[in-house]
Parts: sequence; structure tokens; C-alpha cells
Amino acid sequence: SQTIHQWPATLVQPVGSPLSLECTVEGTSNPNLYWYRQAAGRGLQLLFYSVGIGQISSEVPQNLSASRPQDRQFILSSKKLLLSDSGFYLCAGANREPTEAFFGQGTRLTVV
Amino acid sequence: QKEVEQNSGPLSVPEGAIASLNCTYSDRVSQSFFWYRQYSGKSPELIMSIYSNGDKEDGRFTAQLNKASQYVSLLIRDSQPSDSATYLCAVSNTGGFKTIFGAGTRLFVKA
Repeated sequence: SQTIHQWPATLVQPVGSPLSLECTVEGTSNPNLYWYRQAAGRGLQLLFYSVGIGQISSEVPQNLSASRPQDRQFILSSKKLLLSDSGFYLCAGANREPTEAFFGQGTRLTVV
Repeated sequence: QKEVEQNSGPLSVPEGAIASLNCTYSDRVSQSFFWYRQYSGKSPELIMSIYSNGDKEDGRFTAQLNKASQYVSLLIRDSQPSDSATYLCAVSNTGGFKTIFGAGTRLFVKA
């Protein structure tokens, strides 16, 4: 079974600062990878998904970007954080079949 | 129209009762359907997946899928206080390239 490693668990950043969140996957090859964001008391918003190295699809236009430099590494970045970027960021991975997504432990980001 | 819709709740049931959670989706070509449980402050964990019409049972959980009605449900039998959580319905397209989640239903099981 696959394991999603995500860090850090919590992060407090000032407005305008850069962001880099990293996620790595164990136990599978060539997974689909996802970044979701969850605002307090809300559902999961799909931000980016990737079906392979260097292949990124963006679901929501915003000041965030994603990259997949290696098969099992997925990075979420921002050059300048906004207050509205605060939330619970979740990395997830899924095999092609079956397609169940498994989540990392999440990063709670607070932009101050 | 939201792609995946759930009643936000909260749904409150007594211990030992059946909890019924519902979900509708808008994309008729969706292929895979999932239920996740999320405790407060934690990441979602998969509890059920279903791919074809009908019922699928796993312990106290039963998932039901009706593609013609674009409807998915989750039944929890003999509900326990530890089942109190937010339940997220998720739907993905062919190949699972894009998995979309509903906003979740909060369930409270009263002891």
C-alpha cells in the first residue's frame, strides 16, 4: 500500500512570503498526485493534479503553482502568499486502478 | 451546479441507529465513487469505494450507487460515538485523473 509523506504539519507565514510544501509517495510507481486545500469547516478544493513527471493540471487560477520533478515527488509553491491562502493543504496519491486516493497528514498553513 | 453535492448536516443519530448519508453528482461519465471519513483536524481516510450499480457492504458500512439517478449513499449500521466525523463523498472520472469531493456531511452519534 502507498504512503504519502507531507511536511511540515503546521506553518505560519507572513503575507508576501514564499511557500514551498513538499509531498513524497512510497509504495507505488507512476501515481496520480493531487494537491487539495480545505478552508475551515469546508470541503476539499482540488488545486492541482498530475498524471506524470512534469505534467501539471491546474483547477483553480490563483497565486499558487505546482511541480512534479520526480515520479513520487509533488511540490506546491507560491512566490507571495496572501491572507486567503490560509488553510489545510492536503497531498494525495492514487494508482491508475483502483483509483482510490490516499492522503498525507496535511499542512495547516496560517498566513498572518 | 456543484459537481458533488452533500447535505452539510449536522446529522444526529442515537448510538446503535442507522446513519444514512447521501450524495449526488453532476458528471454522468463519472466512473468511481468513494466515501471518506474525516475527523476534526485530520486528513480524510478512505472507508468505502464503489464502481458499479448496487450495494457494497464492508462490516457496518454499506455503499449504494445508482448511476441512472447520479446518486451515491452510505449507510452506517449500529452507529457508534466513534463514528462522529465529517463524511466526504468523492467522485472521479475515467482513470481517476480528477477526483472531486463534496463539502461533507457532519455526523454526530449520541451515546
